[in-house]
Amino acid sequence: GAVVSQHPSRVICKSGTSVKIECRSLDFQATTMFWYRQFPKKSLMLMATSNEGSKATYEQGVEKDKFLINHASLTLSTLTVTSAHPEDSSFYICSAGPPPAGGPYEQYFGPGTRLTVT
Amino acid sequence: KQEVTQIPAALSVPEGENLVLNCSFTDSAIYNLQWFRQDPGKGLTSLLLIQSSQREQTSGRLNASLDKSSGRSTLYIAASQPGDSATYLCAVTTSQLSFGAGTTVTVRA
Repeated sequence: GAVVSQHPSRVICKSGTSVKIECRSLDFQATTMFWYRQFPKKSLMLMATSNEGSKATYEQGVEKDKFLINHASLTLSTLTVTSAHPEDSSFYICSAGPPPAGGPYEQYFGPGTRLTVT
Repeated sequence: KQEVTQIPAALSVPEGENLVLNCSFTDSAIYNLQWFRQDPGKGLTSLLLIQSSQREQTSGRLNASLDKSSGRSTLYIAASQPGDSATYLCAVTTSQLSFGAGTTVTVRA
């Protein structure tokens, strides 16, 4: 099956710094990738849809200036948490899926990145 | 807006017992439904994908049913083992994936 990787798997940073998380589709091209956030014992919440070559689409309530998304190629999307604060500490997961001829598709998930802001 | 509910939130059973996990969703106009497994601090592992035209999918000891008209899916895990202990998430696809909060399963040896 399709493989999606994330890097790093775990990161600890100080408050006020920025952190970049990479999401890669290893064996397929993904024009669209998705970024999710998960709080402890909660379901995944879609943060934004990353579109190759264009601006990301953010869900309501997600600060686009804080969570910068760049989808520079068909196999790489990055999420940068800018000026991180302790409340940004969370588990971030990306997903991607090879598009079919029409309609949504099965998504493959990355292993996630645990961000801890001290 | 699609809302996905999973009941129960937590479940503890002795080894060997069958597990029944429930998922309900409010908008029946879905493309598919997926069941995932998540171990603590880890990403998601896809278990089963049921297309909207299907009524069930099976993989080994796992069987998932889908009743789209009533907005329900059930995941059955036969003869549970301690290694089945994890959180199980269901997600439905409309224009995007919507997740339930999960059912945390503990199988006691």
